[in-house]
Amino acid sequence: EVQLVESGGGLVQPGKSLRLSCTASGFTFDDCAMHWVRQAPGKGLEWVSGISWNSGNKGYADSVKGRFTISRDNAKNSLYLQMSSLRTEDTALYYCAKERGVGATQGFDYWGQGTLVIVSS
Amino acid sequence: DIVMTQSPDSLAVSLGERATINCKSSQILFSSSNEDYLAWYQQKPGQPPKLLIYWASTRESGVPDRFSGSGSGTDFTLTISSLQAEDVAVYYCQQYYSTPYTFGQGTKLEFK
Repeated sequence: EVQLVESGGGLVQPGKSLRLSCTASGFTFDDCAMHWVRQAPGKGLEWVSGISWNSGNKGYADSVKGRFTISRDNAKNSLYLQMSSLRTEDTALYYCAKERGVGATQGFDYWGQGTLVIVSS
Repeated sequence: DIVMTQSPDSLAVSLGERATINCKSSQILFSSSNEDYLAWYQQKPGQPPKLLIYWASTRESGVPDRFSGSGSGTDFTLTISSLQAEDVAVYYCQQYYSTPYTFGQGTKLEFK
């Protein structure tokens, strides 16, 4: 059974940093590209960042570019999101999502339950 | 960035009736691989999104066949042929043609 479990969320002051983690199981992690998607309270979905299976390709939303860094450790079946210079508008539930298919995006077929990040003074 | 626009924002449909949700992209999503890089998701309250459709019209394994996707280029449609109680949710389209992989704003589907 595929499982994605996010952790690391919490309450943080504006300007501070936070590191999110996503631990994967039930599939061959190092075959798959992975993504972070966030959802502000009561709002829609926003793609944040994605990383290819070998970390060779990374992408970011304009809203987080230069502040967030995505990474992965295939030996630990883990995905990370290092968030710095956090803003109140980064407050959201952050989902880890697995890309469907190998070698070509086909949407995101598995999602974690999310970890909540609240940026507030 | 590719902008995805869904219509309507909300929709009320009677049980057993057809529901249709539209999605328009600001750029063509059709590629040289003869596929449209578009997915549809369903999100129920308190749950993560669930992939329903990819390649614009391919149903994900386990998704009931009352869900279907159609369209190509810039205009796409998600159709629920006969609304069931468990279909009440918010539906999102997403393009994965190029990063950032943008989502539509969502369509809230309710019972009439």
